[in-house]
Amino acid sequence: GQQLNQSPQSMFIQEGEDVSMNCTSSSIFNTWLWYKQDPGEGPVLLIALYKAGELTSNGRLTAQFGITRKDSFLNISASIPSDVGIYFCAGDTGTASKLTFGTGTRLQVTL
Amino acid sequence: NAGVMQNPRHLVRRRGQEARLRCSPMKGHSHVYWYRQLPEEGLKFMVYLQKENIIDESGMPKERFSAEFPKEGPSILRIQQVVRGDSAAYFCASSPRGSGELFFGEGSRLTVL
Repeated sequence: GQQLNQSPQSMFIQEGEDVSMNCTSSSIFNTWLWYKQDPGEGPVLLIALYKAGELTSNGRLTAQFGITRKDSFLNISASIPSDVGIYFCAGDTGTASKLTFGTGTRLQVTL
Repeated sequence: NAGVMQNPRHLVRRRGQEARLRCSPMKGHSHVYWYRQLPEEGLKFMVYLQKENIIDESGMPKERFSAEFPKEGPSILRIQQVVRGDSAAYFCASSPRGSGELFFGEGSRLTVL
């Protein structure tokens, strides 16, 4: 089946630093989504990408849909303590309408 | 995700009992999805439903698990004769159309003793 590999698995950064994480797939996706999950909560949608090469920003977050349609990255600029959480990428082939989730990147921000 | 309502938030069952998890999608959304998450793992697709129809249940275990989304009322994920391995967080998501962005609820955490 489809697999999404996220890297890094975890990151420890200082407040104010920029963060970059990426997601790669063995399959092509038509949509890439990035979610953030806080402990004990459901995933919250951060950014949705619909076209290969698309670059989209949401505040301090920027994400890109890779040209090959097999990868995506998420950047967070000037991190703050509330950025702590687990970030998941997810891909949608657009056919079965189910999302395949990545393995997650756990972000820790130190003051 | 505030619009997708799941209950109960926490459920404890003994082995062999039944668990029923409910999900009310966001207003105007007719597509409902159930996902399961084990600790320290990502979400795994279980089933996709559209009002009164199961569209894709390829992620559902063949036995003991069932899901429905009736014309009136919430979607229900039912697990019969629960076993310890069923302990997980079960998330419901809804979408206004059958692709693209999913909006998730807070989850129902099932613990099987």
